[in-house]
Amino acid sequence: QERLVESGGGWVKPGGSLRLSCAASGFTFSDYYMGWIRQAPGKGPEWVSYIITSSLYTNYADSVRGRFTISRDNAKNSLSLQMDNLRPEDTAVYYCVRDRSGSYFDHWGQGTLVTVSS
Amino acid sequence: EIVLTQSPGTLSLSPGDRATLSCRASRSVSSNYLAWYQQKHGQSPRLLISGASSRAFGIPDRFSGSGSGTDFTLTISRLEPEDFAVYYCQQYGDSPRTFGQGTKVEI
Repeated sequence: QERLVESGGGWVKPGGSLRLSCAASGFTFSDYYMGWIRQAPGKGPEWVSYIITSSLYTNYADSVRGRFTISRDNAKNSLSLQMDNLRPEDTAVYYCVRDRSGSYFDHWGQGTLVTVSS
Repeated sequence: EIVLTQSPGTLSLSPGDRATLSCRASRSVSSNYLAWYQQKHGQSPRLLISGASSRAFGIPDRFSGSGSGTDFTLTISRLEPEDFAVYYCQQYGDSPRTFGQGTKVEI
């Protein structure tokens, strides 16, 4: 059974950095695009970033481009999101997702909360 | 970007009722690339429908999706107690992929 488990969330001051990780199991990780989606309190989800199987292409929402970096390690079945220069508006639950080739998201982790506040 | 507007914001119904949720796009969604998700309180979203009308694996047939262009509908034929949740639509016909703000189905 497919499983995605995020870690690395927490509280950070504006301008700080955090690195989120996602451990995948129950499917052939290297066969799938992967991504991150966030959801601010009381809001709808917002797509953040995705990475293709080979890592040769990544894409980001305009709101995070230049500050966030997505990466993956197919040998370790893991996905990461390096978040730098964090802003209060980045406060959200961040979900690791299995991305069906740039379309919909068919599996979601349980999420990890990131709080950016002074 | 394509803006998705869901209505109503809240739907108050009873078990056994029929629920009709709307998702309207600010411009046409190509190839009906629209998905629906269910999110129960304190949980992550779960995929229900892709391609506007194709149920995901394991989703009961009381859930159905329809529509094209700019107007899409999620119908729950007979509400079960476990169906009370927030529902989101998402388009993947244009970049960036975007979500609606959600419809809450409450008792």
